[in-house]
Amino acid sequence: GEDVEQSLFLSVREGDSSVINCTYTDSSSTYLYWYKQEPGAGLQLLTYIFSNMDMKQDQRLTVLLNKKDKHLSLRIADTQTGDSAIYFCAESSQAGTALIFGKGTTLSVSS
Amino acid sequence: GAGVSQTPSNKVTEKGKYVELRCDPISGHTALYWYRQSLGQGPEFLIYFQGTGAADDSGLPNDRFFAVRPEGSVSTLKIQRTERGDSAVYLCASSLLGGNTDTQYFGPGTRLTVL
Repeated sequence: GEDVEQSLFLSVREGDSSVINCTYTDSSSTYLYWYKQEPGAGLQLLTYIFSNMDMKQDQRLTVLLNKKDKHLSLRIADTQTGDSAIYFCAESSQAGTALIFGKGTTLSVSS
Repeated sequence: GAGVSQTPSNKVTEKGKYVELRCDPISGHTALYWYRQSLGQGPEFLIYFQGTGAADDSGLPNDRFFAVRPEGSVSTLKIQRTERGDSAVYLCASSLLGGNTDTQYFGPGTRLTVL
């Protein structure tokens, strides 16, 4: 079945860039998402990218997609302590269908 | 406008009991999804509705789990004869089908603890 893999932890210093990586197995993945989850809170959609795109930039966030390698990354520029959270990569093959999530990457930002 | 809401926020029950978890989607969203998130894991899909009907229930783990959405808005996830392994955060999401991405917006979840 489909699988989404992420590294479990990332630790950075405030002001540095963070790069969170994700790989997926479903070659029919059409939509790829990044969600953020803060302690005790629900999932907040950060950004998404279509499989026919290579890159998407939204303020401090840059998403890169390598469809050949089925690799997705999220770069956060000028990381702040408020960015500390768990980041989930998710994919779906069709709009409106179930999302397949990775296990999440815990980002820890130290000042 | 208001986001997705879920009640209760926390539910503690005893093994073998029946529980109901409620989800109020964003007004006008036609699709509604249930996921389950165990500690240290990502959300796992359970079931999704388009309108009143279950379009995909392939994620329900067994026949103790059932969900309804009788009027195409509020949904209730029902768990019979609860087991300790059912303890998790149950997340609900909704989306406006027909949009470019059909982005799913999540509620805060219901934390279910089965003693």
